[in-house]
Amino acid sequence: GQNIDQPTEMTATEGAIVQINCTYQTSGFNGLFWYQQHAGEAPTFLSYNVLDGLEEKGRFSSFLSRSKGYSYLLLKELQMKDSASYLCAVRDSNYQLIWGAGTKLIIKP
Amino acid sequence: IAGITQAPTSQILAAGRRMTLRCTQDMRHNAMYWYRQDLGLGLRLIHYSNTAGTTGKGEVPDGYSVSRANTDDFPLTLASAVPSQTSVYFCASSDGVGTGELFFGEGSRLTVL
Repeated sequence: GQNIDQPTEMTATEGAIVQINCTYQTSGFNGLFWYQQHAGEAPTFLSYNVLDGLEEKGRFSSFLSRSKGYSYLLLKELQMKDSASYLCAVRDSNYQLIWGAGTKLIIKP
Repeated sequence: IAGITQAPTSQILAAGRRMTLRCTQDMRHNAMYWYRQDLGLGLRLIHYSNTAGTTGKGEVPDGYSVSRANTDDFPLTLASAVPSQTSVYFCASSDGVGTGELFFGEGSRLTVL
């Protein structure tokens, strides 16, 4: 079966750095997405990786290793507004998205 | 403001009743999707449409139906609601260009009693 694994919850301190991991087993691979979802709101797109390596976008970076079935989202200089759930999703060989259950990130002052 | 509009935002429904969740987008995206989101589970695809006039079944289609008469509208119907359909429902669209990222509506919280 297809599976996306990510930690259920993480806690970090304002101003620090946090890394959220995502491992996947899917039928084929056509890209990996990270979305941010604040409580009670819709998911919003953060990043997309299709080739191995690091994609940097401001305070957020996303890394992909296709051979290891692994990605991480790196958040730097954490702010209170970064408190949210972070969803990992992989597009499979049928171009359908397989979603992880999300990681709830709690930022403490 | 361009985007996706869902209605209603919240609804309490008696079991056995029929319910239609509406979704309209003004971005002229070809692909549209309906997901449900339940605590502890990832987003699960109910139905999708790659273009107007076509629809397909997702991971959890039973008890739901959709139609895509035009590009903008993609309603989701629960013919006879059951308590297990209590969930938050998200409509999304994609233009299929570049990354093909999804744009989501604000969600419809449905409670079936």
